[in-house]
Amino acid sequence: DQQVKQNSPSLSVQEGRISILNCDYTNSMFDYFLWYKKYPAEGPTFLISISSIKDKNEDGRFTVFLNKSAKHLSLHIVPSQPGDSAVYFCAAMGGGADGLTFGKGTHLIIQP
Amino acid sequence: GAVVSQHPSWVICKSGTSVKIECRSLDFQATTMFWYRQFPKQSLMLMATSNEGSKATYEQGVEKDKFLINHASLTLSTLTVTSAHPEDSSFYICSARRGTTLHEQYFGPGTRLTVT
Repeated sequence: DQQVKQNSPSLSVQEGRISILNCDYTNSMFDYFLWYKKYPAEGPTFLISISSIKDKNEDGRFTVFLNKSAKHLSLHIVPSQPGDSAVYFCAAMGGGADGLTFGKGTHLIIQP
Repeated sequence: GAVVSQHPSWVICKSGTSVKIECRSLDFQATTMFWYRQFPKQSLMLMATSNEGSKATYEQGVEKDKFLINHASLTLSTLTVTSAHPEDSSFYICSARRGTTLHEQYFGPGTRLTVT
């Protein structure tokens, strides 16, 4: 059973616009959430994270929003750039476990 | 920065043989290292967690005797796939966590294993 779900396998956004990637989770024990960016045949690169005690965290063009009651988080990228084209993974941790639980990823395509 | 390397980046082996994959943290000491596996179009699945000098903790469904993990130092962990079979073909990724950043794992580039 997927505890972290990314329901959109792909997303296409025009350069300069906002990209919004969504993630839902089912395990209420998760208390920390992370977003990773991944290129083919490479390991994931950490982008941004958020603790469950916060509802927003911002770092440059990247902002993560957390809605605990809905068990939903989103990653906003603005403005979107061609180099942002990659697969984005949502990950969660908590409940005493050290490892990360990943979603299946969303392939973001930035169109010129 | 926090750089993690893996070796080899890809390997092809025959069914029944064993393959060792190395994971190194190059510029920091990793108190904990993790091993993940990713099948095509699937999420990364945690296989095991290893702390330096102690036995690895395996996730449910991961065979301890098949996937041997050794975390001999604070900068090196190895995963040995023993008696590999074609169904073990996958992308194996390690990550390392620095002691002061509990929630941030730094990932290696991955190793593509193909068992023929």
